[in-house]
Amino acid sequence: GQSLEQPSEVTAVEGAIVQINCTYQTSGFYGLSWYQQHDGGAPTFLSYNALDGLEETGRFSSFLSRSDSYGYLLLQELQMKDSASYFCAVRVARDDKIIFGKGTRLHILP
Amino acid sequence: EADIYQTPRYLVIGTGKKITLECSQTMGHDKMYWYQQDPGMELHLIHYSYGVNSTEKGDLSSESTVSRIRTEHFPLTLESARPSHTSQYLCASSSGTGFSDTQYFGPGTRLTVL
Repeated sequence: GQSLEQPSEVTAVEGAIVQINCTYQTSGFYGLSWYQQHDGGAPTFLSYNALDGLEETGRFSSFLSRSDSYGYLLLQELQMKDSASYFCAVRVARDDKIIFGKGTRLHILP
Repeated sequence: EADIYQTPRYLVIGTGKKITLECSQTMGHDKMYWYQQDPGMELHLIHYSYGVNSTEKGDLSSESTVSRIRTEHFPLTLESARPSHTSQYLCASSSGTGFSDTQYFGPGTRLTVL
């Protein structure tokens, strides 16, 4: 079967740094994506890693290690508006669907 | 700015009614998807399409059906709505070119079946 594991909840303080991990077990691997979803809203794309290493986009960075079947999303200089759910997602093959993790609820304390 | 639209945004309907949820995108994407999501819960893929006249069932068993007659349009139909169908339905599309693997989501349809 295909599975993605990520923590169900993470709590951090405003201004701090938080890392959300994602490990996957899939029949193939083409790329790892991260999505943010605020309550009542739709998921929005944050980042995509197809190769090992770190991708940086402003305050958000995403890392991938294909040999470890592992990735993480790093959020820096946390703001209250970053309170949301974060989903990792794996595309198993080029012409295949994306499999989503169950999501990590990020709580930010003032 | 993603151009993917869903109508209606909210729908309250009685048991046994037939409903169609509309989804359209203007980005020319070949790949389109329907997800079901309860509040605060995971996304469940219920249908997807890789192009015109291509449809596949997703991982979550669903009593809905879809069609893809035009690239830009991917409607989802429930022949007989039941209270268990109460949920949020999200439509998404992607070009899926590997190094640009963004899924663009519509705003969702929140369905309540009484």
